[in-house]
Formats: sequence, C-alpha cells, structure tokens
Amino acid sequence: AQSVTQLDSQVPVFEEAPVELRCNYSSSVSVYLFWYVQYPNQGLQLLLKYLSGSTLVKGINGFEAEFNKSQTSFHLRKPSVHISDTAEYFCAVSIIQGAQKLVFGQGTRLTINP
Amino acid sequence: DADVTQTPRNRITKTGKRIMLECSQTKGHDRMYWYRQDPGLGLRLIYYSFDVKDINKGEISDGYSVSRQAQAKFSLSLESAIPNQTALYFCATSDPRLGGRGNEQFFGPGTRLTVL
Repeated sequence: AQSVTQLDSQVPVFEEAPVELRCNYSSSVSVYLFWYVQYPNQGLQLLLKYLSGSTLVKGINGFEAEFNKSQTSFHLRKPSVHISDTAEYFCAVSIIQGAQKLVFGQGTRLTINP
Repeated sequence: DADVTQTPRNRITKTGKRIMLECSQTKGHDRMYWYRQDPGLGLRLIYYSFDVKDINKGEISDGYSVSRQAQAKFSLSLESAIPNQTALYFCATSDPRLGGRGNEQFFGPGTRLTVL
C-alpha cells in the first residue's frame, strides 16, 4: 500500500520569502506524484504533477517540485511567495498501474504574513 | 461553467437522518470518486466507481453508500447520519484514456456537512 507524509502541518512565512513544503511517500511500486492546492472555501486544484522524465516539475503560480526517487520525496518550492498563496497544500500519489486512486498526505497550511 | 458540481454546498442535519449528497460532471469521464476531508487527516477515499456497473469501496466506506445513476452522476448517501460524519465531502473524476495523465483527478467545490 502507498502512504504519504507531509512533514509540516503548518508553515508560516513572510511575503516575498522562499518556501519549501515537504512531502515523502512510501510505495513498493512506481508512482505518479501530485501537488494540489485548496484556497479558502474552495475545492482542490492541481498545482503540478510528476509522471515521468525530468525530475524538476514546474507548475502554476511559480511553484515547482523535485522528484527524488532515492529519498522518496517530492518537495514543493517557490522562491518568493505572495499573500495570495495562502492556502492548504496536499501531496498525493497514485500507482502507475492500477485503479487511479489517489492517496493524500495530511495537508500543509501555508500562511503568508505581510 | 463548473465541470464537476456538487449539491448541496452546505447542509446541517441531525443525528439519525438520511442524507444524500449529489455530484454531476460534464467532463465525460468514466471514473468518479467520493472523498471526505477532515482537519489534519487530508482526504480519504470513501467510494469510487469505474463505470455505471462498477462500484468499489474505499478506505472508509462504513456508514456510507453510493449510487451511480449515469456516467455523469454519482451520489453519496449517509443512511443514518452521526456527528463524526461531520466533514467536507469532495467528488472527483478521472479519465483512464488520458494515459499517465489519467491519474489526475478533477475535483468539485465540496459539500460541507454538519451532523448535530
């Protein structure tokens, strides 16, 4: 079975500072990896995904993530955050061969302070 | 126009009542999913359906049932609601024909359910 651990439940940062949200996963088979964002009072929106190829993946709103197979990690980064990035961020995995089910991490609440 | 819609968006009910949450999609996707979101627990899968005749339990199906009325409609029922079913519920869809991208899921706006 797959599992996902988001190491920080809350991350406060100042506006224009860099941020890294950490995600580690466990799986005995190859996986696809996703980051979703949930803005206040909204549904989930795909931020970026890793399917194959380059391990550095760029997403919307200036976010990027790097897949590290040896460390089973998929950390999300942004070099300079904005107030509008305040949201909850979810890391998720899905096995490549299978039912397309997503397994989510616990979520990380990113708070941007002015 | 929203591709995945959920009704109602908010619902308050009492213990023991039967509740139905509805999900409709215009994306033409075969696969549909129901999740619940609880603070600190992320999203957990309740049920999923690959087509009208294929329904599967997720990791937390106890106390819930589903109905896939058509390709575009997937309903979640709580037969006798209890307070610990208070949560945010999401419907999602995916399309296996998209290959690797088919594992990407598209989410509705959510239904906030409160059971008193």
